[in-house]
Amino acid sequence: ENVLTQSPGTLSLSPGERATLFCRASQSLRNNDLAWYQQRPGQAPRLLIHGASRRATGIPDRFSGSGSGTDFSLSIRGLEAEDVAVYFCQQYGTSGPLSFGGGTKVEIK
Amino acid sequence: QVQLQQSGPGLVKPSQTLSLTCAISGDSISTQGVAWAWIRQSPLRGLEWLARTYYRSRWYSEVADPLISRLIINPPTSRSQFSLQLKSVAPEDSAIYYCAREWPQSSGRGYFDFWGPGTRVTVSS
Repeated sequence: ENVLTQSPGTLSLSPGERATLFCRASQSLRNNDLAWYQQRPGQAPRLLIHGASRRATGIPDRFSGSGSGTDFSLSIRGLEAEDVAVYFCQQYGTSGPLSFGGGTKVEIK
Repeated sequence: QVQLQQSGPGLVKPSQTLSLTCAISGDSISTQGVAWAWIRQSPLRGLEWLARTYYRSRWYSEVADPLISRLIINPPTSRSQFSLQLKSVAPEDSAIYYCAREWPQSSGRGYFDFWGPGTRVTVSS
């Protein structure tokens, strides 16, 4: 199984700052098959990014993804109160079961 | 706009069968190129993919290896809903269960662009 490790566990920033979240895969992902999700408290996950850098429909350009191989990141520019959530990465690029990372919690100071 | 609505019990006794249904609007379960999946989330295991079903001239289903002896995905009988049955539940099956639409890629696995609201299931006597 391709294990995804997310860091940091918690990110606490001020409004307007830039948040950078990381996701490392234990095996290289072909085609950069990695997605990012936002999960606000009490809600289902919401797709932000797929293919490592492609924004999903309706996602503001404050959110951007990058990376390849085993190392990926999600950036949130101009942090807003509505960005408070847990962010998960998910890989779908290996022939074994797809898997999710453990999440990064983003807080506003 | 695709919407998924879930139904099923919030409380199940140990050793019983959990049955959940996901109703689809804005799409059809037989749409080519997509799959319909079940995922659960618990503090213990985080987000965990459980199963998927999809139509490619006939119905296919895949179940996560750890659950293959207990989880049943029957071929859908309606173009607008799919279901899951998890047999012999135990307290560790307590979780929020989500249905979702999946876009499989060349690996055969995909990302999830629409999710149901989730059903919180507790396994307890």
